[in-house]
Formats: sequence, C-alpha cells, structure tokens
Amino acid sequence: EAGVAQSPRYKIIEKRQSVAFWCNPISGHATLYWYQQILGQGPKLLIQFQNNGVVDDSQLPKDRFSAERLKGVDSTLKIQPAKLEDSAVYLCASSRGPGQGSYNEQFFGPGTRLTVL
Amino acid sequence: GQQLNQSPQSMFIQEGEDVSMNCTSSSIFNTWLWYKQDPGEGPVLLIALYKAGELTSNGRLTAQFGITRKDSFLNISASIPSDVGIYFCAGQLLKNQGGKLIFGQGTELSVKP
Repeated sequence: EAGVAQSPRYKIIEKRQSVAFWCNPISGHATLYWYQQILGQGPKLLIQFQNNGVVDDSQLPKDRFSAERLKGVDSTLKIQPAKLEDSAVYLCASSRGPGQGSYNEQFFGPGTRLTVL
Repeated sequence: GQQLNQSPQSMFIQEGEDVSMNCTSSSIFNTWLWYKQDPGEGPVLLIALYKAGELTSNGRLTAQFGITRKDSFLNISASIPSDVGIYFCAGQLLKNQGGKLIFGQGTELSVKP
C-alpha cells in the first residue's frame, strides 16, 4: 500500500511570496490533515478534511493560509503572502475516518520543508 | 489552548541502556499515542493507548496511559542505535472538544554505540 505522498519536499521562498503544497493521501482514506511543525516542536493541526468538507480549521491563519480538497482525494495548502515565521515543515496525514471519539490511525507523509527568507 | 509537557527534551545514552520519557497535561485525553520521527520523515505511530491505566508493549517499547488520563510514559529497554530519533507523545481530545491530536514538544534520543 502506497503511503501519503507530498510535494515538493523542499521549498525556499522570500517573504511576501506565495507557495503551494500538494498532498495525495492513502487510497480510500476519507480524512486528511495538514499539520505545521516548527523546528523543535511537535506537529500542530492546521486543518482537517472529511472527504471534501472542512471538519476543523480553528488553528489555520485564514488571512494568509488556505486549503482545499475539491474532489475528496488530493489536497493543496497555500500560503499567500508568506512570512518569516511560516518557516516550518508542513506535514500531511490521512486516516480511514475522522477519529472523533475513537482513534483512527493517522499516517503521515514525509513533509515539505519551507524556508522563508 | 491545550498543551502537553514532554520530558526530557533530549537524552544521550549508551547502547543497551533503558530509556524513559513522559508527558503530562492539564487536560483529560481520550487516547494517548506515542510516535517516532526520523530526520526528513513524518511521525510513525509506535503505541496507542485507549483506556486509563492501560499498559501496552510493542517489542522493547512499553507505554502506559495514566489513571488520571492526564499523563503517559514510554519506556524503551535495551536501546540500540536505530532507536535514535525524536519521540512525540500525542493526546486525542475528547469528542466534545473536537477529537483532534495535541502533540508534545518531543524528546530527542541519541544512542552511543
């Protein structure tokens, strides 16, 4: 079974530029998550999708971050415009179900390392 | 917001030694999870704990879900060089709090052969 795919693996941009990350979850997984992992910290959930609907985006900085999962499969996360503090690894994860009330294992992709100069 | 306090932040041990790390929180969690993250990779689940007081093993790893549901520990016995990496605890919030995962800050483990 193929794992969660993410691209690009690395991205370097200047502040105020735009950037987009792509994620392809494990086939059949209904729930998709985007996490931000700042160096030296654990992952922090940005947004959770159930199929193509948003379940939780309470920690997504909506003035500059946006995400979509139009067909309920692939997802893109965009930052526009980027700030220095957005430098982090952006992890995508997927699970069979939403996991609320009972845990459905989340499988993580390798992440995209973003550097904002 | 909810926070997990994970300690120690880093550990340097000799191969063959046992390791212990723990997480505490002011919030009650539904589920406790322990992950390992290697450089350039995403976290991989090691152990999941579902009930208060539960003690679960996975090979040389043993983890426990605290009775108060606010803490958990992970032990690694007889460490080997491939145990090197960053270990994260994570707690799953209760359903009425959204059920999302909250991660600790990580424990970086170094093993000297």
